[in-house]
Amino acid sequence: GENVEQHPSTLSVQEGDSAVIKCTYSDSASNYFPWYKQELGKGPQLIIDIRSNVGEKKDQRIAVTLNKTAKHFSLHITETQPEDSAVYFCAATSSGGYQKVTFGIGTKLQVIP
Amino acid sequence: GAVVSQHPSRVICKSGTSVKIECRSLDFQATTMFWYRQFPKQSLMLMATSNEGSKATYEQGVEKDKFLINHASLTLSTLTVTSAHPEDSSFYICSARDLGASSGYTFGSGTRLTVV
Repeated sequence: GENVEQHPSTLSVQEGDSAVIKCTYSDSASNYFPWYKQELGKGPQLIIDIRSNVGEKKDQRIAVTLNKTAKHFSLHITETQPEDSAVYFCAATSSGGYQKVTFGIGTKLQVIP
Repeated sequence: GAVVSQHPSRVICKSGTSVKIECRSLDFQATTMFWYRQFPKQSLMLMATSNEGSKATYEQGVEKDKFLINHASLTLSTLTVTSAHPEDSSFYICSARDLGASSGYTFGSGTRLTVV
């Protein structure tokens, strides 16, 4: 089955700095990679996703890159703000039908004002 | 975008009782929904795949008689924790996918279950 590794597990940055979270996956059949933000006591919210036919995707301060050959994908948050503080999960799955989603362990991001 | 509604958000029950958690897909139909369990400071652990009109598929190590799943309609799946014990206390989350919108998986807001 799929295995997703995520690091770092915790990350502290000063407000305004950038934050990078990295993930690797094992199953070459995976072709859809979503990123979720989870605030305390709430369900995960999709913040950005990328499909394997794309190398990079950007949405305002958030960007995701994918290296399909190396099976690496990363989340980049620029100009971090205190409200970005949360736990971020990367995930891997297949885009067709209903496929199981495999999650990374999560990264607790703290943005220090 | 796709919205998944989950209720209740919090529930406290006594040991030995059963608790039902509902997961509804709003404005879209979902023949399959997923149920996850999350322990503090840990990732989401898939418990089972809920299939409309048929039996759920449980992950290894998850007791199907303990965690009853019913997916009687295209917009509703329920998870019933039977004969609850304090070790069942956890955060339970459901998710669904709107295939018609080619969207990713949307999660419910989660249910914090505390068994006393």
